[in-house]
Amino acid sequence: DTEVTQTPKHLVMGMTNKKSLKCEQHMGHRAMYWYKQKAKKPPELMFVYSYEKLSINESVPSRFSPECPNSSLLNLHLHALQPEDSALYLCASSQSWGRTFGHQETQYFGPGTRLLVL
Amino acid sequence: EDKVVQSPLSLVVHEGDTVTLNCSYEVTNFRSLLWYKQEKKAPTFLFMLTSSGIEKKSGRLSSILDKKELFSILNITATQTGDSAVYLCARGGSNYKLTFGKGTLLTVNP
Repeated sequence: DTEVTQTPKHLVMGMTNKKSLKCEQHMGHRAMYWYKQKAKKPPELMFVYSYEKLSINESVPSRFSPECPNSSLLNLHLHALQPEDSALYLCASSQSWGRTFGHQETQYFGPGTRLLVL
Repeated sequence: EDKVVQSPLSLVVHEGDTVTLNCSYEVTNFRSLLWYKQEKKAPTFLFMLTSSGIEKKSGRLSSILDKKELFSILNITATQTGDSAVYLCARGGSNYKLTFGKGTLLTVNP
């Protein structure tokens, strides 16, 4: 089973709203990722969590706030977003990150949340 | 520069054709090369390549890596309309991050 689930599937929010995206995996993976993908572009890495600790923040604006409550869950809290933040937000997980060489680093993606900021 | 270049950017074929998608990367500090298929939503993992010259195969799809010439190819034989998708190549580097290419949009017409 290589399933990563994400909720909600779609989200429309105003620039003053606060919302959260959720990601869950039950594969025992210890690394989880948030990516942003604009139309016709490849995914862009935002954050990496390894063993529930933030390992990489790709200079993401503070209006995006990640949280990893436990090894199975990853949240992305959104506040005061801009219309240009509208995109597909993808969560991914892998067995490990930054520790081994090989298949343990293969990332499996969730279906994404399509976000529209008005 | 840590760059991944895919070609062609788009391709239109008929069912039954064989296609070859290309991926080249510019930096030699390399850990792995991954291929993903993306339809409407999530990229779906296809292959991970770490060793040169060893073909990975799954049904009608196969892929091989050339670490000397810094490229990989993804072959799809006997294409079907369900193969229509964007195929993404991604390089895993020494910083453990994936660098994606822009993708190849494959359209298979009946």
